[in-house]
Amino acid sequence: DGGITQSPKYLFRKEGQNVTLSCEQNLNHDAMYWYRQDPGQGLRLIYYSQIVNDFQKGDIAEGYSVSREKKESFPLTVTSAQKNPTAFYLCASRTSGGADTQYFGPGTRLTVL
Amino acid sequence: DAKTTQPTSMDCAEGRAANLPCNHSTISGNEYVYWYRQIHSQGPQYIIHGLKNNETNEMASLIITEDRKSSTLILPHATLRDTAVYYCIVKGSSNTGKLIFGQGTTLQVKP
Repeated sequence: DGGITQSPKYLFRKEGQNVTLSCEQNLNHDAMYWYRQDPGQGLRLIYYSQIVNDFQKGDIAEGYSVSREKKESFPLTVTSAQKNPTAFYLCASRTSGGADTQYFGPGTRLTVL
Repeated sequence: DAKTTQPTSMDCAEGRAANLPCNHSTISGNEYVYWYRQIHSQGPQYIIHGLKNNETNEMASLIITEDRKSSTLILPHATLRDTAVYYCIVKGSSNTGKLIFGQGTTLQVKP
Protein backbone atom coordinates (compact mmCIF):
# COMPACT_ATOMS: atom_id res chain seq x y z
CA ASP A 1 0.00 0.00 0.00
CA GLY A 2 1.74 3.14 -1.19
CA GLY A 3 1.54 6.43 0.60
CA ILE A 4 2.79 8.67 3.36
CA THR A 5 2.80 7.63 6.99
CA GLN A 6 3.21 9.82 10.04
CA SER A 7 3.71 8.70 13.57
CA PRO A 8 2.58 9.02 16.20
CA LYS A 9 -0.99 10.23 15.55
CA TYR A 10 -1.14 11.97 18.93
CA LEU A 11 1.85 13.21 20.92
CA PHE A 12 2.06 14.88 24.29
CA ARG A 13 5.13 16.73 25.44
CA LYS A 14 6.15 18.60 28.52
CA GLU A 15 7.44 22.12 28.14
CA GLY A 16 11.19 22.24 27.59
CA GLN A 17 11.40 18.87 25.88
CA ASN A 18 12.39 18.23 22.30
CA VAL A 19 10.23 15.82 20.31
CA THR A 20 10.65 14.21 16.88
CA LEU A 21 7.80 13.55 14.48
CA SER A 22 8.23 10.81 11.92
CA CYS A 23 7.32 11.02 8.22
CA GLU A 24 7.92 8.17 5.76
CA GLN A 25 6.89 7.83 2.12
CA ASN A 26 7.15 4.97 -0.34
CA LEU A 27 6.04 6.95 -3.38
CA ASN A 28 9.60 7.48 -4.61
CA HIS A 29 9.08 11.25 -4.44
CA ASP A 30 12.13 13.47 -4.28
CA ALA A 31 10.50 16.43 -2.53
CA MET A 32 9.04 16.38 0.98
CA TYR A 33 7.42 19.05 3.13
CA TRP A 34 6.39 19.84 6.69
CA TYR A 35 3.41 22.09 7.37
CA ARG A 36 1.82 23.28 10.56
CA GLN A 37 -1.91 23.86 10.98
CA ASP A 38 -3.51 25.73 13.87
CA PRO A 39 -7.24 25.49 14.65
CA GLY A 40 -9.37 27.12 11.98
CA GLN A 41 -6.30 28.19 10.02
CA GLY A 42 -4.61 27.26 6.78
CA LEU A 43 -1.34 25.38 6.45
CA ARG A 44 2.01 27.11 6.99
CA LEU A 45 5.25 25.74 5.59
CA ILE A 46 7.94 24.86 8.14
CA TYR A 47 10.67 23.14 6.10
CA TYR A 48 11.00 21.43 2.76
CA SER A 49 13.51 19.18 1.07
CA GLN A 50 13.82 18.67 -2.66
CA ILE A 51 16.52 16.03 -2.55
CA VAL A 52 18.38 13.82 -0.09
CA ASN A 53 20.86 15.65 2.16
CA ASP A 54 19.38 19.04 1.32
CA PHE A 55 16.58 21.04 2.93
CA GLN A 56 15.39 24.63 3.09
CA LYS A 57 13.57 26.76 5.64
CA GLY A 58 9.96 27.58 4.99
CA ASP A 59 7.94 30.46 6.38
CA ILE A 60 7.99 29.45 10.07
CA ALA A 61 11.20 27.44 10.60
CA GLU A 62 12.22 28.96 13.96
CA GLY A 63 12.21 26.38 16.73
CA TYR A 64 12.18 23.42 14.33
CA SER A 65 14.86 21.26 12.74
CA VAL A 66 14.83 18.53 10.08
CA SER A 67 17.09 16.00 8.44
CA ARG A 68 16.93 14.19 5.11
CA GLU A 69 19.35 11.29 5.20
CA LYS A 70 17.14 8.98 3.16
CA LYS A 71 14.76 9.63 0.29
CA GLU A 72 11.93 7.93 2.13
CA SER A 73 12.24 9.76 5.44
CA PHE A 74 11.95 13.39 6.55
CA PRO A 75 11.71 13.64 10.37
CA LEU A 76 10.83 16.92 12.08
CA THR A 77 12.13 17.86 15.51
CA VAL A 78 10.18 20.38 17.52
CA THR A 79 12.67 21.94 19.88
CA SER A 80 12.17 23.67 23.21
CA ALA A 81 12.84 26.94 21.38
CA GLN A 82 9.47 26.71 19.61
CA LYS A 83 7.27 28.98 21.71
CA ASN A 84 3.85 27.67 20.67
CA PRO A 85 4.35 24.08 19.54
CA THR A 86 0.81 22.81 20.13
CA ALA A 87 -0.57 22.26 16.62
CA PHE A 88 -1.46 19.74 13.94
CA TYR A 89 1.63 18.80 11.89
CA LEU A 90 1.33 17.58 8.32
CA CYS A 91 3.95 15.98 6.12
CA ALA A 92 3.65 15.87 2.35
CA SER A 93 5.60 14.63 -0.63
CA ARG A 94 5.46 15.78 -4.21
CA THR A 95 5.61 14.37 -7.68
CA SER A 96 7.86 16.29 -10.02
CA GLY A 97 7.39 17.56 -13.52
CA GLY A 98 4.25 19.13 -14.88
CA ALA A 99 1.64 19.60 -12.19
CA ASP A 100 3.81 18.87 -9.12
CA THR A 101 0.97 17.35 -7.11
CA GLN A 102 1.50 17.06 -3.34
CA TYR A 103 0.17 14.21 -1.27
CA PHE A 104 -0.30 14.48 2.48
CA GLY A 105 0.08 12.15 5.40
CA PRO A 106 -2.58 11.73 8.10
CA GLY A 107 -0.93 14.22 10.46
CA THR A 108 0.40 14.27 14.01
CA ARG A 109 -1.38 16.28 16.67
CA LEU A 110 1.15 17.61 19.17
CA THR A 111 0.03 18.93 22.53
CA VAL A 112 2.40 20.59 24.96
CA LEU A 113 1.35 20.20 28.56
CA ASP B 1 0.83 32.18 -7.39
CA ALA B 2 -2.63 33.54 -8.17
CA LYS B 3 -5.12 34.24 -5.39
CA THR B 4 -8.39 32.30 -5.21
CA THR B 5 -11.83 33.22 -3.88
CA GLN B 6 -14.30 30.62 -2.64
CA PRO B 7 -17.61 30.83 -0.78
CA THR B 8 -17.20 30.26 2.94
CA SER B 9 -19.79 27.51 3.17
CA MET B 10 -22.28 25.46 1.15
CA ASP B 11 -24.90 22.82 1.81
CA CYS B 12 -25.79 19.90 -0.41
CA ALA B 13 -28.40 17.17 -0.13
CA GLU B 14 -27.10 13.63 0.01
CA GLY B 15 -27.18 11.99 -3.42
CA ARG B 16 -27.26 15.28 -5.27
CA ALA B 17 -24.40 16.87 -7.15
CA ALA B 18 -22.26 19.31 -5.21
CA ASN B 19 -20.91 22.19 -7.30
CA LEU B 20 -18.13 24.15 -5.62
CA PRO B 21 -17.05 27.35 -7.37
CA CYS B 22 -13.67 29.06 -7.32
CA ASN B 23 -12.60 32.38 -8.79
CA HIS B 24 -9.00 32.88 -9.86
CA SER B 25 -9.11 35.90 -12.12
CA THR B 26 -5.35 36.60 -11.94
CA ILE B 27 -4.28 33.11 -13.00
CA SER B 28 -1.39 33.03 -15.44
CA GLY B 29 -0.91 30.73 -18.38
CA ASN B 30 1.34 28.15 -16.73
CA GLU B 31 -0.56 27.87 -13.44
CA TYR B 32 -2.58 24.80 -12.58
CA VAL B 33 -5.83 24.65 -10.60
CA TYR B 34 -5.73 22.10 -7.79
CA TRP B 35 -8.49 20.94 -5.49
CA TYR B 36 -7.90 19.36 -2.11
CA ARG B 37 -10.24 18.59 0.73
CA GLN B 38 -9.70 18.17 4.43
CA ILE B 39 -11.97 16.16 6.62
CA HIS B 40 -11.82 17.15 10.26
CA SER B 41 -8.56 16.13 11.97
CA GLN B 42 -7.16 14.44 8.86
CA GLY B 43 -4.50 15.43 6.34
CA PRO B 44 -5.59 17.21 3.15
CA GLN B 45 -6.63 14.82 0.40
CA TYR B 46 -5.77 15.54 -3.22
CA ILE B 47 -8.86 15.45 -5.43
CA ILE B 48 -8.06 16.67 -8.92
CA HIS B 49 -6.11 19.24 -10.89
CA GLY B 50 -6.27 20.84 -14.33
CA LEU B 51 -4.60 23.36 -16.58
CA LYS B 52 -6.98 24.25 -19.40
CA ASN B 53 -9.17 21.29 -20.21
CA ASN B 54 -11.95 19.85 -18.09
CA GLU B 55 -10.84 16.85 -16.08
CA THR B 56 -12.61 13.89 -14.51
CA ASN B 57 -11.44 11.15 -12.20
CA GLU B 58 -13.05 8.65 -9.86
CA MET B 59 -13.67 11.31 -7.22
CA ALA B 60 -14.81 14.40 -9.09
CA SER B 61 -14.94 16.52 -12.22
CA LEU B 62 -13.21 19.85 -12.71
CA ILE B 63 -14.70 22.38 -15.09
CA ILE B 64 -12.43 25.29 -16.04
CA THR B 65 -13.88 28.24 -17.95
CA GLU B 66 -12.41 29.06 -21.31
CA ASP B 67 -10.75 32.24 -19.99
CA ARG B 68 -9.45 30.20 -17.00
CA LYS B 69 -10.60 32.83 -14.54
CA SER B 70 -12.87 30.48 -12.65
CA SER B 71 -13.49 26.80 -12.12
CA THR B 72 -16.04 24.46 -10.55
CA LEU B 73 -15.44 21.23 -8.71
CA ILE B 74 -18.29 18.79 -9.12
CA LEU B 75 -18.95 15.87 -6.80
CA PRO B 76 -21.57 14.02 -8.85
CA HIS B 77 -23.36 12.17 -6.05
CA ALA B 78 -22.47 13.67 -2.69
CA THR B 79 -22.47 11.44 0.38
CA LEU B 80 -22.24 12.29 4.07
CA ARG B 81 -18.57 11.32 3.93
CA ASP B 82 -17.95 14.19 1.51
CA THR B 83 -18.56 16.71 4.30
CA ALA B 84 -15.24 18.57 4.50
CA VAL B 85 -13.42 21.82 3.82
CA TYR B 86 -12.61 22.08 0.09
CA TYR B 87 -9.63 24.11 -1.03
CA CYS B 88 -9.04 25.55 -4.49
CA ILE B 89 -5.37 26.35 -5.06
CA VAL B 90 -3.69 27.90 -8.07
CA LYS B 91 -0.02 27.19 -8.46
CA GLY B 92 2.61 27.07 -11.11
CA SER B 93 5.64 24.84 -11.13
CA SER B 94 8.17 26.33 -8.79
CA ASN B 95 11.32 25.42 -6.95
CA THR B 96 9.64 25.27 -3.55
CA GLY B 97 6.38 23.63 -4.52
CA LYS B 98 4.75 25.31 -1.52
CA LEU B 99 0.97 25.11 -1.48
CA ILE B 100 -0.97 28.08 -0.12
CA PHE B 101 -4.22 27.00 1.48
CA GLY B 102 -6.83 29.74 1.92
CA GLN B 103 -9.94 29.42 4.03
CA GLY B 104 -11.69 27.08 1.59
CA THR B 105 -15.36 26.16 1.37
CA THR B 106 -16.96 24.13 4.13
CA LEU B 107 -19.31 21.71 2.40
CA GLN B 108 -22.00 20.21 4.58
CA VAL B 109 -23.78 17.24 3.02
CA LYS B 110 -27.16 16.73 4.64
CA PRO B 111 -29.34 13.60 4.71
